[in-house]
Amino acid sequence: GAGVSQSPRYKVTKRGQDVTLRCDPISSHATLYWYQQALGQGPEFLTYFNYEAQPDKSGLPSDRFSAERPEGSISTLTIQRTEQRDSAMYRCASSFTSGGGETQYFGPGTRLLVL
Amino acid sequence: QKEVEQDPGPLSVPEGAIVSLNCTYSNSAFQYFMWYRQYSRKGPELLMYTYSSGNKEDGRFTAQVDKSSKYISLFIRDSQPSDSATYLCAMSGPRGSARQLTFGSGTQLTVLP
Repeated sequence: GAGVSQSPRYKVTKRGQDVTLRCDPISSHATLYWYQQALGQGPEFLTYFNYEAQPDKSGLPSDRFSAERPEGSISTLTIQRTEQRDSAMYRCASSFTSGGGETQYFGPGTRLLVL
Repeated sequence: QKEVEQDPGPLSVPEGAIVSLNCTYSNSAFQYFMWYRQYSRKGPELLMYTYSSGNKEDGRFTAQVDKSSKYISLFIRDSQPSDSATYLCAMSGPRGSARQLTFGSGTQLTVLP
């Protein structure tokens, strides 16, 4: 596609519910990243994929967070048993390769509000 | 203490002013340095990209990196109201190491007409 797209753009859920966020990267891009951005802060790394492989999950805050990219294109981020502290903007980015310094292109984000 | 510290702002300047935005960092492994611009309700977009120390100029924008001081700057000359946005510094390690970007907290800039 022309750019990185994410859906939904907004999600409101009740504490304890599971949510799944979707990212559709730029079609030629091998690498996909998930970031969490709190209000007034910069994005913080969660995890990334190289095609379908997930070499680094070190930024995931707890085992309630998981991500998939089964066919090496679209990715989902799932948060189980959501808590109010999970409320944030979740951003997806993609890059052509995974080499250090590769330009990352960001999507518009999904704003999650946990009540 | 965060790996990347950024002047919090907000910063408000008149049109035509020179703007200076700055970040310091603690991880000496960082080799790639970027500035992203984020408009309201949009994702960050890459503005400037520098490898290692030195200066890079692109139109009204100049990025400076001083690895010895672990300090990076972005200068905007002849600032315009359309430059009003949040500016995020970001950095990453060398090829073969972690690929994720480490961001500063962002500086909100308003250029007044």
